[in-house]
Amino acid sequence: AQSVTQLDSQVPVFEEAPVELRCNYSSSVSVYLFWYVQYPNQGLQLLLKYLSGSTLVKGINGFEAEFNKSQTSFHLRKPSVHISDTAEYFCAVRDVGGGGNKLTFGTGTQLKVEL
Amino acid sequence: DTAVSQTPKYLVTQMGNDKSIKCEQNLGHDTMYWYKQDSKKFLKIMFSYNNKELIINETVPNRFSPKSPDKAHLNLHINSLELGDSAVYFCASSQEPGTVYNSPLHFGNGTRLTVT
Repeated sequence: AQSVTQLDSQVPVFEEAPVELRCNYSSSVSVYLFWYVQYPNQGLQLLLKYLSGSTLVKGINGFEAEFNKSQTSFHLRKPSVHISDTAEYFCAVRDVGGGGNKLTFGTGTQLKVEL
Repeated sequence: DTAVSQTPKYLVTQMGNDKSIKCEQNLGHDTMYWYKQDSKKFLKIMFSYNNKELIINETVPNRFSPKSPDKAHLNLHINSLELGDSAVYFCASSQEPGTVYNSPLHFGNGTRLTVT
């Protein structure tokens, strides 16, 4: 069984500052990794995904994440945040070749960007 | 607009009632899901249907029954509602997992269910 840990429930940051949202996972098999963003009163949207190949993946809105197999991490970063980035961010994992398309989500990190 | 749409957006009801949430997607996807997001924002899959066939059924009370009349619709019926059922329920869809395992999920905007 997989699990995802997002240690930071809230991350406050000033506008134009860099940010890193941490994600660690646990799985006995190879995995695919995802970051989703949820704006208030909306559903989740895919930010980026790691499937294979380059460990640094770039997503929408200037976000990127790096897959580190040895540390079982997939941290999300943005060099300069904007007020509009204020949202809940979810890391998710699924087994490669697993049945269905069953994602296991972390508990989310609330990113609050302040002026 | 192409999207996953679910109705109603808000649902307030009393304990013991039966209610349904409807979901439709016009993205041409073969697979649809129901997720439950609790008050702490934890998201957990409940069901998944592929071409009207149930493929994922997590440990969910029998009071919850999904129904998929066609591959573009997946409705969720809940019998004998309990206080603990209060949550935001999200419908989602993706391409058939058998051929595209990395297909991302497309979520609806959620239905906030409040049981009083």
